[in-house]
Amino acid sequence: KQEVTQIPAALSVPEGENLVLNCSFTDSAIYNLQWFRQDPGKGLTSLLLIQSSQREQTSGRLNASLDKSSGRSTLYIAASQPGDSATYLCADSGGSNYKLTFGKGTLLTVNP
Amino acid sequence: DTGVSQNPRHKITKRGQNVTFRCDPISEHNRLYWYRQTLGQGPEFLTYFQNEAQLEKSRLLSDRFSAERPKGSFSTLEIQRTEQGDSAMYLCASSLGVLSTDTQYFGPGTRLTVL
Repeated sequence: KQEVTQIPAALSVPEGENLVLNCSFTDSAIYNLQWFRQDPGKGLTSLLLIQSSQREQTSGRLNASLDKSSGRSTLYIAASQPGDSATYLCADSGGSNYKLTFGKGTLLTVNP
Repeated sequence: DTGVSQNPRHKITKRGQNVTFRCDPISEHNRLYWYRQTLGQGPEFLTYFQNEAQLEKSRLLSDRFSAERPKGSFSTLEIQRTEQGDSAMYLCASSLGVLSTDTQYFGPGTRLTVL
């Protein structure tokens, strides 16, 4: 059974700090890995998708990396802002290319 | 707004009642997905459609649950004889269905509370 683990479960940082969120997955035969953001009581917003053949993707202050051999992905957020406060979820597609398996998320709080 | 929409946004019902949720995907997307999310957990896959065909159903989708996507457009998810354990956020997503780069775009969800 595919499992996705996210560490830490919660993280609180002062504004301006750089931070890293971690995601590990058990099945290395994935099509892609996605990072999402979820605000309280809301749906998910896609942040980055890394194809299995890629090692990283960047969007603005966000950089996601993928190491299939070790089953790990990281999301790096530069110069964090209070508006970045949310739950960040990673999900891998496994070998199916349609069924995402999610971690429980990391609750990020950026303090002004 | 051309994103994924879901209705209703909130539903409160009594145990034993039937409920139906609707999802309207992004118009050119061939794939449509349903997930369920409980408090403190990540979303869990329920089922997905390629156009109008339902191609996989999770074991989480008991026989009280049924999903349809007539004509490959909008989709409905019906829960019969609701139970308190059905209380959750039901999320719909859609995607183009392109290998390796198939980003799933999520709607705002329908929060179900079963009393």
